[in-house]
Amino acid sequence: QSVLTQPPSVSAAPGQKVTISCSGSSSNIERKYVSWYQQVPGTAPKLLIYDDNKRPSGIPDRFSGSKSGTSATLGITGLQTGDEADYYCGTWDTSLSAGVFGGGTKLTVL
Amino acid sequence: EVQLVESGGGLAQPGRSLRLSCAASGFNFDDHAFHWVRQAPGKGLEWVSGINQNGGGIAYADSVKGRFTISRDNAKNSLYLQMNSLRVEDTALYYCAKDFGAYIDSPDPDYWGQGTLVTVSS
Repeated sequence: QSVLTQPPSVSAAPGQKVTISCSGSSSNIERKYVSWYQQVPGTAPKLLIYDDNKRPSGIPDRFSGSKSGTSATLGITGLQTGDEADYYCGTWDTSLSAGVFGGGTKLTVL
Repeated sequence: EVQLVESGGGLAQPGRSLRLSCAASGFNFDDHAFHWVRQAPGKGLEWVSGINQNGGGIAYADSVKGRFTISRDNAKNSLYLQMNSLRVEDTALYYCAKDFGAYIDSPDPDYWGQGTLVTVSS
């Protein structure tokens, strides 16, 4: 059971928009920055979003992050078949004094 | 170019030890915190341990606390994970990850190695 809760799967058609939620608590998301990662099967994770809503260089602006209270959201617009991957949220938990990840969400682009 | 290369994985019996290493290049190693993150076969990511840029701050997941020890050698641009009293449930691909910043309590791993596989089995 992950400290951060994500939906197991989401799907949408090419060109459409999808959002992936990440639910936490007052000891993690509410008081610490959230980051998001994309993992294509068989490869290492890649940082998509850091500090809730910042994109590293090279990440297209189709990817966005937001946060409100104890929940964070990853948005992806203009879906492409290449976006099919597992997506994870992550942050720090101040009660555990440890890093935590969500269980991951599998994105299918129909 | 940032490169992170893990090594040291392999097959170990329950109760035995392994030491993972991560050789880093392409950036100022001692400016950044580092993390070990693992992924069991077919499962999600699990944060294992982290160390601040100067080694002064260290943390562990409860699942490995007291058994694993993280360390770094800034002179050798290397990160380590000493894993003792290994359990079957430690079987996973272990990733070394460089943090965007200097401290582990705002984790932003921006570069990841390809991982080293640890299999614990009798």
